[in-house]
Amino acid sequence: NAGVTQTPKFQVLKTGQSMTLQCAQDMNHEYMSWYRQDPGMGLRLIHYSVGAGITDQGEVPNGYNVSRSTTEDFPLRLLSAAPSQTSVYFCASSYSEGSGTEAFFGQGTRLTVV
Amino acid sequence: EDQVTQSPEALRLQEGESSSLNCSYTVSGLRGLFWYRQDPGKGPEFLFTLYSAGEEKEKERLKATLTKKESFLHITAPKPEDSATYLCAVQGEAGGTSYGKLTFGQGTILTVHP
Repeated sequence: NAGVTQTPKFQVLKTGQSMTLQCAQDMNHEYMSWYRQDPGMGLRLIHYSVGAGITDQGEVPNGYNVSRSTTEDFPLRLLSAAPSQTSVYFCASSYSEGSGTEAFFGQGTRLTVV
Repeated sequence: EDQVTQSPEALRLQEGESSSLNCSYTVSGLRGLFWYRQDPGKGPEFLFTLYSAGEEKEKERLKATLTKKESFLHITAPKPEDSATYLCAVQGEAGGTSYGKLTFGQGTILTVHP
């Protein structure tokens, strides 16, 4: 049982490039989400999904796309990377709709956009 | 809008010196208040969920308490291995949707010196 797995762990992009951050969970959780963590800002929600085929925007969705074709996977796509997207990205999953249910986090992807 | 403020931003303790971390929050309909521990370069690791005022939970040297406006994480006789960033998050009513978004504080960086 690996929990939540994110790849890659580190990535450097040039401005304007696109890439996909991968997230997979093996706990059969319906609920998955992406957060970014910036110094002094705390963790902020980018996008979330309440099940396969269902996604919605969080607090800071601009510049990012998501899709959820399976229960296990929830990739995050950066369409045209900008320096403002330099951050640490965390994927999380939880087993219920969130009524006080804890989220399990991956190890993070540290992204630098130059 | 849900808000979480943690204090202090950083706390340095000597081994064995007990102290408390504060998490002040405003939320529309609390579903749960969460404490997480985050080690450098890692994802947040779940510690506690508190659901209602007056509730307390303990784990080893940590004890979390909850009132209607704040939560405290009490650390008794800390050890160097307790050094980490401690994150507080609230989950409120989702405004008609089924997903309870987590709102995080900025965290308290705890350093315990031997």
